Amino acid sequence: QVQLQESGPGLVKPSETLSLTCTVSGGSISSYYWSWIRQPPGEGLEWITYIYYNGYTNYNPSLKSRVTISVDTSKNQFSLKLSSVTAADTAVYYCARTLDAGYFDLWGRGILVTVSS
Amino acid sequence: DIQMTQSPSSLSASVGDRVTITCRASQSITRSLNWYQQRPGTAPNLLIYVASSLRGGVPSRFSGSGFGTDFTLTISSLQPEDFATYYCHQSHSIPYTFGQGTKLEIK
Repeated sequence: QVQLQESGPGLVKPSETLSLTCTVSGGSISSYYWSWIRQPPGEGLEWITYIYYNGYTNYNPSLKSRVTISVDTSKNQFSLKLSSVTAADTAVYYCARTLDAGYFDLWGRGILVTVSS
Repeated sequence: DIQMTQSPSSLSASVGDRVTITCRASQSITRSLNWYQQRPGTAPNLLIYVASSLRGGVPSRFSGSGFGTDFTLTISSLQPEDFATYYCHQSHSIPYTFGQGTKLEIK
């Protein structure tokens, strides 16, 4: 069965770049969209971006200027970079498989990223 | 952006109760509405997609309905494992947006 696993630093300093990777196991990254979604502690969910396996992307305009998503089909991974982070970017970051109709049918367990000096 | 408003924000109910959660979109999203359940400390889990389609493996006590701007999630007979937070999500337009969540608590 397909599983997703986020990885990356749990602590990032203000003004630096947050970098996360999602590894897809048990299935191919091809033929699907893949999203990043975040959830600040005690708050709701915010969709950040998605990428298709061929590299097509879409971004949340509220974050677009600071976000880059990429995919590496040879490694069955996709990645998120968020630049110039502040404390407001502290959140659990989830990766999720996104079907054509836009819903998220598989999620990683999430990774807490804290922005602090 | 399309704003998603859930009501109520929190709800107390008992095992066996029938519960309905409402989600309203700020503009028509046709049937592009999905529901997720999130238990504390875990990732959200898809329950319902495109307004009324039950995901495989999800108990049939969960159902969804609606079209356009108004949608509902109904749990016909609450079970202990259903006490969680529920989110609606529109996938009609970018950026995808979520409701603020409804926390379902035990009375």
